Amino acid sequence: ELKVEQNPLFLSMQEGKNYTIYCNYSTTSDRLYWYRQDPGKSLESLFVLLSNGAVKQEGRLMASLDTKARLSTLHITAAVHDLSATYFCAAVVKAAGNKLTFGGGTRVLVKP
Amino acid sequence: SAVISQKPSRDICQRGTSLTIQCQVDSQVTMMFWYRQQPGQSLTLIATANQGSEATYESGFVIDKFPISRPNLTFSTLTVSNMSPEDSSIYLCSVATGQEGYTFGSGTRLTVV
Repeated sequence: ELKVEQNPLFLSMQEGKNYTIYCNYSTTSDRLYWYRQDPGKSLESLFVLLSNGAVKQEGRLMASLDTKARLSTLHITAAVHDLSATYFCAAVVKAAGNKLTFGGGTRVLVKP
Repeated sequence: SAVISQKPSRDICQRGTSLTIQCQVDSQVTMMFWYRQQPGQSLTLIATANQGSEATYESGFVIDKFPISRPNLTFSTLTVSNMSPEDSSIYLCSVATGQEGYTFGSGTRLTVV
């Protein structure tokens, strides 16, 4: 059974500094996703990572995937207040029904 | 990517009653997923709904409590039955879309009093 773990669960950031969120998964996964959720809102798709070594970047966010280590990271560069949200990673195993299994989420608060 | 209309957006319900949540997709999709997000928690899959067959429920979720309908390839409903305060959560539907992505509905915030 696929299990996905994120850490840290909570991250207090200072504006302008760099931070990383880690996402480990327990079995071979076909795809790895990162989502953002603002309070009271649904999920916003950030990245989908399909293969080992994949790296995607959008603005101050960069996600990478190491399938051998079963690890994905979400790196935040020069944090700004607008990035305050909860970030989730999720993995999929196609053979297990193509369903997303989510990590516990990382609540990010960026302080001035 | 697909667009999902989810209703209602929120509701406050009395314990012992039932609430039906609807998701309408603007294109035909094979698989629809229903998730529960308890306060301050992550998303947990309730069931996968395929058109023309019974939904497949995850461990800890049963059809009597969360009956699901999937009458066609663009629509699904989830009913939360005989509600208790522990059912207070956000419920989200999701579909797998092209380009390996998943789209989520806007969510239904349920409060049971």
